[in-house]
This record gives sequence, C-alpha cells and structure tokens, in this order.
Amino acid sequence: KAGVTQTPRYLIKTRGQQVTLSCSPISGHRSVSWYQQTPGQGLQFLFEYFSETQRNKGNFPGRFSGRQFSNSRSEMNVSTLELGDSALYLCASSLGAGTIGGETQYFGPGTRLLVL
Amino acid sequence: QKEVEQDPGPLSVPEGAIVSLNCTYSNSAFQYFMWYRQYSRKGPELLMYTYSSGNKEDGRFTAQVDKSSKYISLFIRDSQPSDSATYLCAMIDSNYQLIWGAGTKLIIKP
Repeated sequence: KAGVTQTPRYLIKTRGQQVTLSCSPISGHRSVSWYQQTPGQGLQFLFEYFSETQRNKGNFPGRFSGRQFSNSRSEMNVSTLELGDSALYLCASSLGAGTIGGETQYFGPGTRLLVL
Repeated sequence: QKEVEQDPGPLSVPEGAIVSLNCTYSNSAFQYFMWYRQYSRKGPELLMYTYSSGNKEDGRFTAQVDKSSKYISLFIRDSQPSDSATYLCAMIDSNYQLIWGAGTKLIIKP
C-alpha cells in the first residue's frame, strides 16, 4: 500500500507570495492533519480534516488555511508569506479518529518551504 | 515555558549502549503519550504509544511514564547505528490535539 505523498517536496518563495501544498493520504484513510516543523519550535499542529470538514485547528494565523476533497486528498495554503514561514510542512493521515484516542498517524516526507 | 520540554541534544553514544531519552511536561491533563522516530528527510513514524503510568516494552524499546513526576522516558537497549535519528515525544491534550516535544537528535557511533 502506498504511503502518504506530499507535493512538491521543495519550494522556494519570496515574501508576500502565496503557496499551496498538496497531500495524498493512504488509501482508505479519511483523516488528514497538517503540521509545521521548525528547529526552534518543533512540530506544531496546524489543522485536521475529516470528511471534507475541518475538525480541529491549531493556533496559527488566518493566513494558513486548508481544505479536503471528497477523495480525502488535502491542500493547505499560506498567503502573504513571511520569512518565519520557512519550515518543513508535514501531512499525516489516519483511518478516521485522527488524534483522538491516539490513533496511529502516518506521516508523509514533508514539503520543505523556504521563504526569501 | 513550553508545555512539553525535550533536550534537543545531540546525544552521542557508542553502539550497544543503553539509550535514555526523556521529556517533561507541565499539563497534568495529558493522558496519552507517544514516541516518534524521525529519520533525516522523512516524516515521523510512531514507535510507542502508552496511556497509563508504568512501563511498556516492544523489542529493544521500553516506554516509561511517570504521571506523578510528569516525566516520560524512552529506553533503547543494544543500540544500533540504524537507531540514529531524531526522537520526538508527543502527548494528547484535553482538546485531543497532539502537543510535541522539540525532538532529541540521537547519534549511535559504530
């Protein structure tokens, strides 16, 4: 079974631009979560989607948004990029419960975003 | 102060040694505790998952939770160079969100 895939793997943008990242979960998984990982802050939860609905949201500004499609694929968008948005953005999929009860999440390799 | 504290390392030990990785936390409401391993250029993968205080063993790995001290540990026996990675602890809060430690970089020297 194929794992979680994320595209693109690497991205360079300039301040003020916007970016869209894509995540394809494991087949049959309906929950997709997004995380930002930086050396200083570690992993921080962005949001979680289940059946095309945002089920949970972390403490990030409104510039960060996401959506999930009927096939469970998910995208996240960051508008008006700032230098501090440079990070590894990780997507994780799970069968359905997501983080509730500690259901196993399977992570993709991430998209490394560099904002200049 | 972060809710979950984890020494970023790096922690360098010789092959075959017992490794001890630790996290402390401040929120007594945390109930679920996890350890993830992350290799370079890869996403984290779940290693161990525990709910209650005490020990849980899986092969060379033992997870230990001490809720009274708000302290969790991961022990790796007979460490191998392939264990070299970043180890992240994570906990679930009352809003069912995963709160992560910053990760400890572990280096096993052959």
